[in-house]
Amino acid sequence: NAGVTQTPKFQVLKTGQSMTLQCAQDMNHEYMSWYRQDPGMGLRLIHYSVGAGITDQGEVPNGYNVSRSTTEDFPLRLLSAAPSQTSVYFCASSPGGGTEAFFGQGTRLTVV
Amino acid sequence: AQSVAQPEDQVNVAEGNPLTVKCTYSVSGNPYLFWYVQYPNRGLQFLLKYITGDNLVKGSYGFEAEFNKSQTSFHLKKPSALVSDSALYFCAVRFSSNDYKLSFGAGTTVTVRA
Repeated sequence: NAGVTQTPKFQVLKTGQSMTLQCAQDMNHEYMSWYRQDPGMGLRLIHYSVGAGITDQGEVPNGYNVSRSTTEDFPLRLLSAAPSQTSVYFCASSPGGGTEAFFGQGTRLTVV
Repeated sequence: AQSVAQPEDQVNVAEGNPLTVKCTYSVSGNPYLFWYVQYPNRGLQFLLKYITGDNLVKGSYGFEAEFNKSQTSFHLKKPSALVSDSALYFCAVRFSSNDYKLSFGAGTTVTVRA
C-alpha cells in the first residue's frame, strides 16, 4: 500500500534551472494537489486537479506548471528556479466528498 | 473573506496535562474541518475531521476536537498529553462541499515536556 509517493526527497537546484517533482498515487483518487510549506505560513496551494486532463491554479501558482495525463500521476514543473522557491513541497490526493486528503512525504527543494 | 487561523504559534504543556490547540475559521457556508499532525521531516498525517453531526469528533492517538458553530472554532484537544505528541499541528478547512481545495492555518508547534 504505497499511497502517495513523491520523488525526489531532496533536491538542490541552481537559479534558472528547471526540474520536475514527481507525484504518484495508487488509490485511484480523482483529486490531487500540490502545496508548498514555508515556516510560519502553513501549507499554500500551488496547483490542483479534479481529474485527468483537468488542472487549475491555487493560491501561489507563479513559476510552476502542472499536467494530469493519468489519474495516478501529477507532476509539478519548475520552469526557471528562483531562490524564493526554496521550500518543502507536498503532494496530496483525495477521493473527493468529505474525505480527508492523503499526503506524500515531501520534497525538500533548495535553490541556490 | 474566507480564512482559517491558528492563533497560537506554540503551545507548551507538561506530560499528563490537558492539551488544547486552537483553530478558528471564517466561512459563509458549512465548512469541512480537519486536523493534521506533522512530525519532523515527515508528511502530514490525518487526525480527525468534522463534516456534519455530533459536534465532538474523536480521532487518532486519543485526540478529539469540538466544533463550535457560534464561535466558528474547531479546537483540538487531548485529555492527557504525551511527550510523543510533540509535533506541528495544522488545522485545515474546505470551505464548501463542492470545493476540494484545503486551506491551512499557519500551524501550531506543540511541545510536551516530561
